Amino acid sequence: GQSLEQPSEVTAVEGAIVQINCTYQTSGFYGLSWYQQHDGGAPTFLSYNALDGLEETGRFSSFLSRSDSYGYLLLQELQMKDSASYFCAVRDKNYGQNFVFGPGTRLSVLP
Amino acid sequence: DVKVTQSSRYLVKRTGEKVFLECVQDMDHENMFWYRQDPGLGLRLIYFSYDVKMKEKGDIPEGYSVSREKKERFSLILESASTNQTALYFCATSDFGNTEAFFGQGTRLTVV
Repeated sequence: GQSLEQPSEVTAVEGAIVQINCTYQTSGFYGLSWYQQHDGGAPTFLSYNALDGLEETGRFSSFLSRSDSYGYLLLQELQMKDSASYFCAVRDKNYGQNFVFGPGTRLSVLP
Repeated sequence: DVKVTQSSRYLVKRTGEKVFLECVQDMDHENMFWYRQDPGLGLRLIYFSYDVKMKEKGDIPEGYSVSREKKERFSLILESASTNQTALYFCATSDFGNTEAFFGQGTRLTVV
């Protein structure tokens, strides 16, 4: 089976940098994704990492270490609108190559 | 822009009713999914489909069935709704590479 762990809540102030970690266990790893979900909204795609290293897209970066079964989402220059839930998701070849989602991390950005 | 449209934003149904949740996508994606979201549990996969008339069970298929008669439409069916199926349901699609999923707006289903 698969399991993913993320912190349940993170709090930071506007302008700060925050890192949301994700550890996973699976024997069929293909890639790690991150999604953002605002209250009452749909999850929206942020990033996908299939290879080790850091991928940067504007204020958001995502990192993967396959040997450590670990990844993180880095949010820089935090803005109030970044307050949302963030989900990591593992694409698993043992799961029809579908994604298994983590429980989510609730990020609160304070003024 | 990919559009994934779910037929209802909110639904209230009675225990034992047959419930249909419809999803339509306009981007010609092969893959379609139904997820259920409960507080603290993230998104759990109910069923998925990679092609017309094809369906595969996900993590929690019990009490649900699906139908995919056309490529753009994927329906989730609750054969006999129960109160433990009260949840937020999302339809999603992805292309053949399956690296990015696009979600519908969600249907909040309440079974009373």
